[in-house]
Amino acid sequence: EDQVTQSPEALRLQEGESSSLNCSYTVSGLRGLFWYRQDPGKGPEFLFTLYSAGEEKEKERLKATLTKKESFLHITAPKPEDSATYLCAVPPGSARQLTFGSGTQLTVLP
Amino acid sequence: NAGVTQTPKFRVLKTGQSMTLLCAQDMNHEYMYWYRQDPGMGLRLIHYSVGEGTTAKGEVPDGYNVSRLKKQNFLLGLESAAPSQTSVYFCASNSPTGYQETQYFGPGTRLLVL
Repeated sequence: EDQVTQSPEALRLQEGESSSLNCSYTVSGLRGLFWYRQDPGKGPEFLFTLYSAGEEKEKERLKATLTKKESFLHITAPKPEDSATYLCAVPPGSARQLTFGSGTQLTVLP
Repeated sequence: NAGVTQTPKFRVLKTGQSMTLLCAQDMNHEYMYWYRQDPGMGLRLIHYSVGEGTTAKGEVPDGYNVSRLKKQNFLLGLESAAPSQTSVYFCASNSPTGYQETQYFGPGTRLLVL
């Protein structure tokens, strides 16, 4: 069964304290791994798509990386405005859908 | 472009009442999706549509019905609401081609069933 597991469930950082979020997946024939950001009371907002092991993508203080079994979202010198829930997702098998992990709730304290 | 919009934003129902959630997109997307989000469980797919006039079941379809009469609209219906359907509902859309499967989400509808 295709699965997506995110860890930790919650992470509290001080402003400027770098860290990483993990997304591990089990799916045959990966067709992409998606990262979304979700602010409280809003819908998920697309961040990145990674397609192959070794690929990296960056956006401001965020960098996403991909291996054959997991993806990391690295947050460098975070600011309070980076506080949000970060979701990862993969298309399961051949279906044109997304299976989501349960997310990591990030809180960055000033 | 408004992107994906959802109405209403918030609704309170009594057990057994019915309601329809509306999703509209102005990006000419072929595919549309309905998810529910519950604490600790992430987003779960309820139903989806791959084109006007078509619908299919997702992971948690029981208790819901959908219709896609127009390409830009996707309706989610609850015929007899139950407290277990208290959740936040999100609509999404895309036009997947090749490896491009990014979905774009609406702002959500918060539903409370008493």
